[in-house]
Amino acid sequence: NAGVMQNPRHLVRRRGQEARLRCSPMKGHSHVYWYRQLPEEGLKFMVYLQKENIIDESGMPKERFSAEFPKEGPSILRIQQVVRGDSAAYFCASSPQPVYNSPLHFGNGTRLTVT
Amino acid sequence: TQLLEQSPQFLSIQEGENLTVYCNSSSVFSSLQWYRQEPGEGPVLLVTVVTGGEVKKLKRLTFQFGDARKDSSLHITAAQPGDTGLYLCAGARADYQLIWGAGTKLIIKP
Repeated sequence: NAGVMQNPRHLVRRRGQEARLRCSPMKGHSHVYWYRQLPEEGLKFMVYLQKENIIDESGMPKERFSAEFPKEGPSILRIQQVVRGDSAAYFCASSPQPVYNSPLHFGNGTRLTVT
Repeated sequence: TQLLEQSPQFLSIQEGENLTVYCNSSSVFSSLQWYRQEPGEGPVLLVTVVTGGEVKKLKRLTFQFGDARKDSSLHITAAQPGDTGLYLCAGARADYQLIWGAGTKLIIKP
């Protein structure tokens, strides 16, 4: 049973380009969280999705950022017109149930560098 | 705004010493999870504590959930270099929300 798969592991974009980060949750997991992490810091919540639905996107700037979790295929975090401040590690985590019943399984992240 | 205050933020000790990491909040959680993260990887769950006053042991690691389910501690006995990493606590509410501590960066020197 494969774990949470994120790709790419590293992504370099120039300012103004678009970044697309992919996350395939563990099989049977319908709850997906995206987090952002700066070096030596904790996790900052961005968005929580259940299959096809965005439940909470309060941690994500409304401009330039969007997320989806379609019925088929991976969850996608899209950042349009990237700026240097978007450089960070982005982690996806999944669970089969809400987190009060089941802990999160994390991928190994996508490290975005904006030049 | 709910907060989960984690301390210390940074700890560097010699191999063989003991240490304790704390997570404190004014809010009640339905469960509290501890994760460890190594450089270049995602966090990995260590333990979940659910019942107030619960104590769980994982080899040299002892986790405790406060009686009121507002705080938790992680105690490591005879720390080893392999314990080095970023330790994160996360409190689960009775919905989908996880409240995260800021993390404790632990370095164990041989």
